Amino acid sequence: DVVLTQTPPTLSATIGQSVSISCRSSQSLLHSNGNTYLNWLLQRPGQPPQLLIYLVSRLESGVPNRFSGSGSGTDFTLKISGVEAEDLGVYYCVQSTHAPRTFGGGTKLELK
Amino acid sequence: EVQLQESGPGLVKPSQSLSLTCSVTGYSITSNYWGWIRKFPGNKMEWMGYISYSGSTSYNPSLKSRISITRDTSKNQFFLQLNSVTTEDTATYYCAKGPYWYFDFWGPGTMVTVSS
Repeated sequence: DVVLTQTPPTLSATIGQSVSISCRSSQSLLHSNGNTYLNWLLQRPGQPPQLLIYLVSRLESGVPNRFSGSGSGTDFTLKISGVEAEDLGVYYCVQSTHAPRTFGGGTKLELK
Repeated sequence: EVQLQESGPGLVKPSQSLSLTCSVTGYSITSNYWGWIRKFPGNKMEWMGYISYSGSTSYNPSLKSRISITRDTSKNQFFLQLNSVTTEDTATYYCAKGPYWYFDFWGPGTMVTVSS
C-alpha cells in the first residue's frame, strides 16, 4: 500500500498566520491517465471530514480561497494563507491513484 | 441537498458481525460511488470499500475476506457488513459519497465499540 507521511503532526498557529502542511508519498501519485489523485480533507472537532482540495490543487466548491494545494509526484503541500479560528482541526491528505486508497496520519492545527 | 446518515448498533461482541446502514437523501445511489471509511481511536483513517452506481464493489484487501457492501436502491440505502470483528475494529464509521476519485460528502459518523 502507498504510505502517505504528513508533517508536522501538530501545528500551532496564531490567527492570521500562514501555515503549510506537507504530505509525502512512498510512490508517485501520477496516474497513467495523467492525473494526480491527491486530495486534502479537514476534520473539525465533532464533525465529519470535509473535502477541501482534490486533484492536488482544485478547490472544492464553497471552500475559502485561503486554502491552496500544490505539488507533484511524491511531494505535496497544503497552504493556509491566514489561519482563521474555523480552520482548527485535523488535516488529512488522501490518495486514490493506487489501490487501496490510503490516508496520511493527520496534522492537527491548534491555536497558539 | 445530499445528506448521509449512518445507523447501527454501537456495541458489538468480538467474533460477531458488525452491520451498518447508510441512509441517503437528496441524491440517488444509482449515481456516483458510495463508500465506507473508518477512523480509529487517534487519527488513523482507513478506506474500507465502496459500491458503485451500478452495484459493483471494491474492497480494501486488508478486509477482503470479512467485508461486504450491498445496497437497496428502493430505499436509497447502502450497507456495510464486517464479519468476525475484534477489538481492533473499534472505530468511528463514516459513509460517504463521491465521484470515483474522492468523497465529497460524508455522513456524521457512528461510533462502534467491539467489546464483550
